Amino acid sequence: SYELTQPPSVSVSPGQTANITCSGDELGDKFASWYQQKPGQSPLLVIYRDTQRPSGIPERFSGSNSGNTATLTIGGTQAMDEADYYCQAWDSSVVFGGGTKLTVL
Amino acid sequence: EVQLVESGGGLVKPGRSLRLSCTASGFTFGDYAMSWIRQAPGKGLEWVSFIRSEADGGTTEHAASVKGRFTISRDDSKSIIYLEMNSLKTEDTAVYYCTRQYSGYDTGFGPWGQGTLVIVSS
Repeated sequence: SYELTQPPSVSVSPGQTANITCSGDELGDKFASWYQQKPGQSPLLVIYRDTQRPSGIPERFSGSNSGNTATLTIGGTQAMDEADYYCQAWDSSVVFGGGTKLTVL
Repeated sequence: EVQLVESGGGLVKPGRSLRLSCTASGFTFGDYAMSWIRQAPGKGLEWVSFIRSEADGGTTEHAASVKGRFTISRDDSKSIIYLEMNSLKTEDTAVYYCTRQYSGYDTGFGPWGQGTLVIVSS
């Protein structure tokens, strides 16, 4: 079955750029989506179709996808961006990555 | 405003059944594919089931872990999707989220409901 691999944790200083990666076999041939989940809250779609931002998502969130890696980039990271982030793609079924805890310190 | 409200969760013994519901509002329900996604306590997201719009055939997909035990269905006249869960196992314990395909094909899932907790325990 298809697998997506994310680093368990990423740390970033406020105002700096955070990059969260998601790896999968030929992932660049699929569309990647990204979700943010804060403690006690439901997930929130922040990027779809590799690079598209849903309405209401700040411009500091961006995405890319090429080769075997999709990347979520948060520019000018703020304390409010501290959360778990999950990537997702379709293979023969819906697949989620294991999640990355972003710490802003 | 798009709203998804899940209901039907609770404590159930292994081997028993439970039916979850998700009531939608704020959008043309019949135009969208819908999905159930779960999250075990302290764990990541796990996709469970997916149902396409009637215009796309209304066909369903289920994760291997629930295939043959869970069934997703929809009632477009009531703007509701269901998840019929049979032969429940302790590993099915999770918060179950209802969500909508965001836009068209392969556009991710959003928004999400608040979730309903299912606990499978003797």
